[in-house]
This record gives sequence, C-alpha cells and structure tokens, in this order.
Amino acid sequence: DQQVKQNSPSLSVQEGRISILNCDYTNSMFDYFLWYKKYPAEGPTFLISISSIKDKNEDGRFTVFLNKSAKHLSLHIVPSQPGDSAVYFCAASANAGNNRKLIWGLGTSLAVNP
Amino acid sequence: DSGVTQTPKHLITATGQRVTLRCSPRSGDLSVYWYQQSLDQGLQFLIQYYNGEERAKGNILERFSAQQFPDLHSELNLSSLELGDSALYFCASNLRGRTDTQYFGPGTRLTVL
Repeated sequence: DQQVKQNSPSLSVQEGRISILNCDYTNSMFDYFLWYKKYPAEGPTFLISISSIKDKNEDGRFTVFLNKSAKHLSLHIVPSQPGDSAVYFCAASANAGNNRKLIWGLGTSLAVNP
Repeated sequence: DSGVTQTPKHLITATGQRVTLRCSPRSGDLSVYWYQQSLDQGLQFLIQYYNGEERAKGNILERFSAQQFPDLHSELNLSSLELGDSALYFCASNLRGRTDTQYFGPGTRLTVL
C-alpha cells in the first residue's frame, strides 16, 4: 500500500518555464514532508521541506505547497533550468515517538529541455 | 559531496552468497539509515540506528541485518542472496535521528547473478 504517491513517473518542461511536481498521501498522521532530488549514480539530495503547520515554503526557485485537506503537496520550480533535470522524490513522516521514519514516493523524473 | 561514504561502489555476487555493505556517516552525525532502491520500488526504508542502537525498522528481510559500531560507522549484512536482492543500497545520516534532512551516500549497487 503506497502511502505516498507520485502519480506522474515523468515530466518534460521547457527551460525557463515552471515545473510542477505533485505528490499525494493517504496517511493523515503525516506532519512533515520533504522533497529530495536525485541525479543518476548519486544519492538523493535534500531540496526543501514543509511542516504541516504551514501551507507554503519557499527557497529560491523552489516552492513547496501543502494542501492538508486534499492530502496533496506540490513542488514548483521557477524558472526551470536544464540542471534541474533529475528524479524528484517526495517523502513524508509522522510523529510516532522514536519510531518516526520517512515514507517515500516512487519519484518523478523531470527533464528540462534547453 | 554529502560527507557520507559508502563502500563498495559496486558489488557482483552469486545467489546464496553473503555480502557486507559499509557506511561512514557525516562527521558528528549519530544516526544512520539504510535504504533499498529496486528498479520499480522507489526508496524502501530498511533500518535506522542511533548512536549504536537500533531505532526504527522498516521493510527489512530476516536475511538482512545491520549494526552500528562505536565509531558510528554502520554495516548492512545481506545473506542467502536472491536475484531479487539486486538493487541500489543507500545509507543516509543525520545528527539527531530525526527523519528530516537526511544526507545520503552515493550508494552501493548490488548485482546478484
């Protein structure tokens, strides 16, 4: 049972335009969400996060939006650059004392075309 | 460079064998996480250690085990290997053992023939 879903396996965007990556979750106990970026042959790299007490977090070209009622979050990249081409993973966690762990989506492969 | 190192980078072995993957966390980090990434499974959390003790367990098979040593490096032992164990194995670390902002190593690619 996939608790964190990234329904688009891939996305192609023109350089300079906005990239929107989506993530849906089913567990209403999740209270912290993260986005990671992964290049081939490398480990995932932390990109941006958001707590459930917020609905938006911004860091440079990257903004994450959280809609708790819809159990949906999205990552916006504006403007998109060719170097953003990578696989993006959404992850979520719930506060369960010492047993807190991240649940990951399957990833969305973003291609930014020059 | 995340500061997390993993060895070996690649490992090719046969079914039924046993292998050990090694991870050195970032300097100062107390917590180590192990993940498996198969072709179509995304990142699957296996196990977490914090300062030498097991903190959380995920979808780790009984054939797999891990430990964290006093110097905080960690080893993941995979035994009675099967073809389906072929995957990328990532190690991640962070300071306080919270799930936010884990720093990942480059991974070990295991191929079981």
